[in-house]
Amino acid sequence: ETGVTQTPRHLVMGMTNKKSLKCEQHLGHNAMYWYKQSAKKPLELMFVYSLEERVENNSVPSRFSPECPNSSHLFLHLHTLQPEDSALYLCASSQLPTDYYTEAFFGQGTRLTVV
Amino acid sequence: GNSVTQMEGPVTLSEEAFLTINCTYTATGYPSLFWYVQYPGEGLQLLLKATKADDKGSNKGFEATYRKETTSFHLEKGSVQVSDSAVYFCALSGGNLSGGSNYKLTFGKGTLLTVNP
Repeated sequence: ETGVTQTPRHLVMGMTNKKSLKCEQHLGHNAMYWYKQSAKKPLELMFVYSLEERVENNSVPSRFSPECPNSSHLFLHLHTLQPEDSALYLCASSQLPTDYYTEAFFGQGTRLTVV
Repeated sequence: GNSVTQMEGPVTLSEEAFLTINCTYTATGYPSLFWYVQYPGEGLQLLLKATKADDKGSNKGFEATYRKETTSFHLEKGSVQVSDSAVYFCALSGGNLSGGSNYKLTFGKGTLLTVNP
Protein backbone atom coordinates (compact mmCIF):
# COMPACT_ATOMS: atom_id res chain seq x y z
CA GLU A 1 0.00 0.00 0.00
CA THR A 2 1.25 3.48 -0.80
CA GLY A 3 0.53 7.04 0.26
CA VAL A 4 -1.25 8.14 3.40
CA THR A 5 -4.00 5.94 4.84
CA GLN A 6 -6.51 7.00 7.48
CA THR A 7 -8.87 4.81 9.46
CA PRO A 8 -11.71 4.77 10.04
CA ARG A 9 -13.19 6.69 7.11
CA HIS A 10 -16.35 7.48 9.07
CA LEU A 11 -16.92 7.66 12.82
CA VAL A 12 -19.99 8.51 14.87
CA MET A 13 -19.41 8.94 18.58
CA GLY A 14 -21.27 10.17 21.62
CA MET A 15 -19.97 13.01 23.71
CA THR A 16 -18.88 10.67 26.49
CA ASN A 17 -17.07 8.18 24.25
CA LYS A 18 -13.35 7.72 23.76
CA LYS A 19 -12.12 6.89 20.29
CA SER A 20 -8.93 7.17 18.24
CA LEU A 21 -8.19 8.13 14.67
CA LYS A 22 -5.28 6.42 12.96
CA CYS A 23 -3.00 7.59 10.20
CA GLU A 24 -0.23 5.65 8.48
CA GLN A 25 2.12 6.89 5.79
CA HIS A 26 4.12 4.71 3.42
CA LEU A 27 6.14 7.50 1.82
CA GLY A 28 9.19 7.45 4.06
CA HIS A 29 8.43 10.94 5.33
CA ASN A 30 9.56 12.20 8.73
CA ALA A 31 6.83 14.73 9.49
CA MET A 32 3.10 14.21 10.03
CA TYR A 33 0.20 16.58 10.51
CA TRP A 34 -3.40 16.68 11.70
CA TYR A 35 -5.77 19.15 10.04
CA LYS A 36 -9.42 19.86 10.81
CA GLN A 37 -11.76 20.72 7.96
CA SER A 38 -15.11 22.21 8.99
CA ALA A 39 -17.82 23.45 6.69
CA LYS A 40 -17.27 26.99 5.42
CA LYS A 41 -13.99 27.41 7.34
CA PRO A 42 -10.38 27.27 6.17
CA LEU A 43 -8.36 24.18 6.88
CA GLU A 44 -7.06 24.38 10.44
CA LEU A 45 -3.66 23.00 11.29
CA MET A 46 -3.97 21.20 14.63
CA PHE A 47 -0.69 19.41 15.29
CA VAL A 48 2.66 18.85 13.63
CA TYR A 49 5.15 16.12 14.46
CA SER A 50 8.69 16.19 13.14
CA LEU A 51 10.88 13.16 13.82
CA GLU A 52 8.21 11.98 16.28
CA GLU A 53 8.40 15.16 18.35
CA ARG A 54 5.53 17.60 18.48
CA VAL A 55 6.61 20.89 17.00
CA GLU A 56 3.28 22.63 16.77
CA ASN A 57 0.09 22.63 18.81
CA ASN A 58 -2.25 25.32 17.60
CA SER A 59 -4.26 25.96 20.76
CA VAL A 60 -6.19 22.76 20.30
CA PRO A 61 -8.46 21.79 23.21
CA SER A 62 -7.12 19.05 25.45
CA ARG A 63 -9.98 16.73 24.45
CA PHE A 64 -7.83 16.10 21.36
CA SER A 65 -4.64 14.24 22.21
CA PRO A 66 -2.13 13.34 19.48
CA GLU A 67 0.37 10.51 19.58
CA CYS A 68 3.21 9.77 17.20
CA PRO A 69 4.89 6.48 18.18
CA ASN A 70 7.11 6.41 15.07
CA SER A 71 7.60 8.31 11.85
CA SER A 72 5.02 6.21 9.98
CA HIS A 73 2.11 6.36 12.41
CA LEU A 74 0.06 9.15 13.88
CA PHE A 75 -2.96 8.92 16.15
CA LEU A 76 -5.52 11.40 17.36
CA HIS A 77 -7.16 10.32 20.60
CA LEU A 78 -10.60 11.79 21.21
CA HIS A 79 -12.56 12.06 24.47
CA THR A 80 -15.55 14.03 25.70
CA LEU A 81 -15.98 15.79 22.37
CA GLN A 82 -18.59 18.41 21.57
CA PRO A 83 -20.98 18.50 18.60
CA GLU A 84 -18.98 21.39 17.12
CA ASP A 85 -16.02 19.03 16.82
CA SER A 86 -17.84 17.24 14.01
CA ALA A 87 -15.66 17.70 10.95
CA LEU A 88 -13.39 15.98 8.46
CA TYR A 89 -10.04 15.24 10.06
CA LEU A 90 -7.19 15.05 7.62
CA CYS A 91 -3.77 13.57 8.15
CA ALA A 92 -0.80 14.59 6.02
CA SER A 93 2.88 13.83 5.79
CA SER A 94 5.93 15.51 4.31
CA GLN A 95 9.70 15.29 4.26
CA LEU A 96 11.62 17.66 6.53
CA PRO A 97 13.84 19.53 6.98
CA THR A 98 13.38 21.74 4.02
CA ASP A 99 15.12 24.98 3.38
CA TYR A 100 12.29 26.65 1.58
CA TYR A 101 8.94 24.87 1.57
CA THR A 102 7.07 21.72 2.34
CA GLU A 103 4.93 19.64 0.03
CA ALA A 104 2.33 17.70 1.96
CA PHE A 105 0.56 14.49 0.98
CA PHE A 106 -2.89 13.96 2.44
CA GLY A 107 -4.96 10.99 3.46
CA GLN A 108 -8.63 10.65 2.56
CA GLY A 109 -9.75 11.85 5.94
CA THR A 110 -12.00 10.62 8.73
CA ARG A 111 -15.51 12.07 8.74
CA LEU A 112 -16.33 12.50 12.44
CA THR A 113 -19.83 13.11 13.73
CA VAL A 114 -20.34 13.82 17.42
CA VAL A 115 -23.85 13.18 18.67
CA GLY B 1 1.93 36.25 8.90
CA ASN B 2 1.21 34.37 5.72
CA SER B 3 -2.27 34.34 4.21
CA VAL B 4 -4.05 33.14 1.09
CA THR B 5 -7.17 34.67 -0.41
CA GLN B 6 -9.09 32.88 -3.11
CA MET B 7 -12.30 33.71 -4.85
CA GLU B 8 -15.47 32.76 -3.10
CA GLY B 9 -17.52 30.05 -4.66
CA PRO B 10 -19.43 28.27 -5.67
CA VAL B 11 -18.50 28.39 -9.34
CA THR B 12 -20.84 26.65 -11.77
CA LEU B 13 -19.82 26.09 -15.38
CA SER B 14 -20.96 24.12 -18.38
CA GLU B 15 -18.73 21.42 -19.80
CA GLU B 16 -15.96 22.77 -22.07
CA ALA B 17 -16.15 26.25 -20.52
CA PHE B 18 -13.02 28.18 -19.51
CA LEU B 19 -12.16 28.18 -15.82
CA THR B 20 -10.34 30.77 -13.73
CA ILE B 21 -10.10 30.63 -9.97
CA ASN B 22 -8.27 33.62 -8.54
CA CYS B 23 -5.75 33.32 -5.74
CA THR B 24 -3.63 36.01 -4.13
CA TYR B 25 -1.26 35.68 -1.23
CA THR B 26 0.58 37.60 1.44
CA ALA B 27 3.87 36.22 2.63
CA THR B 28 7.30 37.16 3.85
CA GLY B 29 10.18 36.00 1.76
CA TYR B 30 9.68 33.82 -1.31
CA PRO B 31 7.06 31.16 -0.71
CA SER B 32 6.19 28.18 -2.87
CA LEU B 33 2.63 28.03 -4.15
CA PHE B 34 0.27 25.10 -4.61
CA TRP B 35 -3.15 24.17 -5.83
CA TYR B 36 -4.79 21.22 -4.13
CA VAL B 37 -8.02 19.55 -5.25
CA GLN B 38 -10.54 17.72 -3.09
CA TYR B 39 -13.02 15.46 -4.87
CA PRO B 40 -16.28 14.62 -3.06
CA GLY B 41 -15.69 12.38 -0.06
CA GLU B 42 -11.91 12.42 -0.48
CA GLY B 43 -8.85 14.06 1.03
CA LEU B 44 -6.72 16.69 -0.65
CA GLN B 45 -4.55 15.89 -3.65
CA LEU B 46 -1.76 18.07 -4.94
CA LEU B 47 -2.80 19.36 -8.36
CA LEU B 48 0.17 21.54 -9.26
CA LYS B 49 2.89 23.69 -7.74
CA ALA B 50 5.36 26.47 -8.50
CA THR B 51 8.40 27.12 -6.38
CA LYS B 52 9.72 30.43 -7.74
CA ALA B 53 8.57 33.54 -9.51
CA ASP B 54 7.43 33.13 -13.13
CA ASP B 55 7.26 29.34 -12.78
CA LYS B 56 4.21 27.75 -14.36
CA GLY B 57 2.76 24.69 -12.73
CA SER B 58 0.60 22.41 -14.86
CA ASN B 59 -1.24 19.12 -14.53
CA LYS B 60 -4.34 17.48 -16.09
CA GLY B 61 -4.92 20.55 -18.28
CA PHE B 62 -4.80 22.95 -15.33
CA GLU B 63 -2.19 25.72 -15.21
CA ALA B 64 -1.13 28.42 -12.77
CA THR B 65 1.71 30.94 -13.02
CA TYR B 66 3.55 32.32 -10.02
CA ARG B 67 3.30 36.12 -10.38
CA LYS B 68 5.40 37.82 -7.76
CA GLU B 69 4.61 41.32 -8.95
CA THR B 70 0.89 40.79 -8.37
CA THR B 71 1.32 38.17 -5.59
CA SER B 72 -1.04 35.91 -7.49
CA PHE B 73 -1.33 32.26 -8.52
CA HIS B 74 -4.57 32.01 -10.50
CA LEU B 75 -5.76 28.57 -11.59
CA GLU B 76 -6.92 28.15 -15.19
CA LYS B 77 -8.22 25.42 -17.45
CA GLY B 78 -9.25 25.91 -21.04
CA SER B 79 -12.03 23.34 -21.17
CA VAL B 80 -13.51 21.88 -18.00
CA GLN B 81 -15.11 18.47 -17.70
CA VAL B 82 -17.80 17.13 -15.39
CA SER B 83 -15.08 15.11 -13.65
CA ASP B 84 -13.36 18.36 -12.62
CA SER B 85 -16.17 19.08 -10.16
CA ALA B 86 -14.42 19.41 -6.82
CA VAL B 87 -13.19 21.91 -4.23
CA TYR B 88 -9.96 23.68 -5.16
CA PHE B 89 -7.57 25.05 -2.53
CA CYS B 90 -4.77 27.52 -3.09
CA ALA B 91 -1.93 27.18 -0.58
CA LEU B 92 1.54 28.46 0.17
CA SER B 93 4.50 27.21 2.10
CA GLY B 94 7.93 28.35 3.04
CA GLY B 95 9.69 31.48 1.98
CA ASN B 96 11.23 32.01 5.36
CA LEU B 97 14.89 32.31 4.58
CA SER B 98 15.87 31.50 8.15
CA GLY B 99 13.97 28.23 8.01
CA GLY B 100 11.53 28.74 10.81
CA SER B 101 8.03 27.60 10.01
CA ASN B 102 8.65 26.40 6.47
CA TYR B 103 6.99 23.10 7.40
CA LYS B 104 3.60 24.85 7.44
CA LEU B 105 1.09 25.06 4.64
CA THR B 106 -1.30 28.02 4.67
CA PHE B 107 -4.56 27.35 2.81
CA GLY B 108 -7.24 29.49 1.28
CA LYS B 109 -10.87 28.75 2.12
CA GLY B 110 -11.44 26.68 -0.99
CA THR B 111 -13.61 27.19 -4.07
CA LEU B 112 -16.33 24.70 -4.98
CA LEU B 113 -16.48 24.07 -8.72
CA THR B 114 -19.48 22.34 -10.27
CA VAL B 115 -19.37 21.44 -13.95
CA ASN B 116 -22.68 20.57 -15.60
CA PRO B 117 -22.96 18.40 -18.71
